[in-house]
Amino acid sequence: DTEVTQTPKHLVMGMTNKKSLKCEQHMGHRAMYWYKQKAKKPPELMFVYSYEKLSINESVPSRFSPECPNSSLLNLHLHALQPEDSALYLCASKGPNYGYTFGSGTRLTVV
Amino acid sequence: AQTVTQSQPEMSVQEAETVTLSCTYDTSESDYYLFWYKQPPSRQMILVIRQEAYKQQNATENRFSVNFQKAAKSFSLKISDSQLGDAAMYFCALGYGGSQGNLIFGKGTKLSVKP
Repeated sequence: DTEVTQTPKHLVMGMTNKKSLKCEQHMGHRAMYWYKQKAKKPPELMFVYSYEKLSINESVPSRFSPECPNSSLLNLHLHALQPEDSALYLCASKGPNYGYTFGSGTRLTVV
Repeated sequence: AQTVTQSQPEMSVQEAETVTLSCTYDTSESDYYLFWYKQPPSRQMILVIRQEAYKQQNATENRFSVNFQKAAKSFSLKISDSQLGDAAMYFCALGYGGSQGNLIFGKGTKLSVKP
């Protein structure tokens, strides 16, 4: 299995909702990432988990809460989001040969 | 400072022709990696090619090759025999070793392929 799987592919949520994005990989990679990507822009780093511990938080608002329950799974919990948080959220993992594998992303719309 | 610069926001190429996408970077580290990623409208970020900084030989993957000029900090991508499926946004990225090395992306080049 050489894939990073993200669910759901699309999500529409209201500003008062709580939702979660899920990312899963079974390649044994020990570094996992969340990126936010706006249209026609490069991905922006949000969080890095290394060996299931949060190692980098790029000053992301607290309405985004990451969680790494085990080495294969990465979640992003969403609460009280704003319309400007609408974007493509990409998950990636990094292997020992320094290859980064990306999931296909979750397209989030906040209404 | 670590930066990646792609100076061509958009490029166009005729099908079956060759096109070169430019990328320059800046880093003070000696151990780094350079990548070209392709992102079609389907939004999947696909690795096209990777270059280790310590290797002098330019990487090649089928129709895709790079011109890595370490002293000039330049990393261009050449696509030969362009196909309609090559149309996408192309991102140049700089990465590092270690368990938490991040990827630093350029702003991207949108490539169109004309039939």
